[in-house]
Amino acid sequence: DAGITQSPRHKVTETGTPVTLRCHQTENHRYMYWYRQDPGHGLRLIHYSYGVKDTDKGEVSDGYSVSRSKTEDFLLTLESATSSQTSVYFCAISDTRQGSEAFFGQGTRLTVV
Amino acid sequence: DAKTTQPTSMDCAEGRAANLPCNHSTISGNEYVYWYRQIHSQGPQYIIHGLKNNETNEMASLIITEDRKSSTLILPHATLRDTAVYYCIVLSGGTSYGKLTFGQGTILTVHP
Repeated sequence: DAGITQSPRHKVTETGTPVTLRCHQTENHRYMYWYRQDPGHGLRLIHYSYGVKDTDKGEVSDGYSVSRSKTEDFLLTLESATSSQTSVYFCAISDTRQGSEAFFGQGTRLTVV
Repeated sequence: DAKTTQPTSMDCAEGRAANLPCNHSTISGNEYVYWYRQIHSQGPQYIIHGLKNNETNEMASLIITEDRKSSTLILPHATLRDTAVYYCIVLSGGTSYGKLTFGQGTILTVHP
């Protein structure tokens, strides 16, 4: 398996609290992505990074921010969690710009109550 | 990127070949066909991709029609562990970031 680890794997948090999810890779891939997966919506891109300190928004970025201070770490922060952000979050790494042949983490199941 | 159409679900007997079809009739010349799968509650897993020619790796074979409007993913000897949702995706080799979007896919159930 590709060296990609997400933490935590499960989290329950209260509405209005900040939450940070971490994605760590040991593959030295340039591109990193955060997706969320919800029933009926498939996988949707939240934010992506194309290098250290280089990040940009995906299709569902409202309410989320990201940071990448090192090649191996990509953090996703929910500034003030809402119930609509209850989801399964996947991190992915890729050597290609469009994210093809990507390796995915095991996911983080986040519940906002 | 071109849209894809896949059957909602399919069944296959263990040990038999599983043939998963995908239609991508609006595919353009520089777009590749990718296949991923997602086993329940795990992250998606890359399987194979191709442009024009048929491709084979240790997991599967990909057959792309001559007009490239459809393709078939073949799992030659399906096992129970191949039960998963299979996604067919068309991606260009262009400059867009993070264009890996997953639709509903095909739920493949392999039964004993």
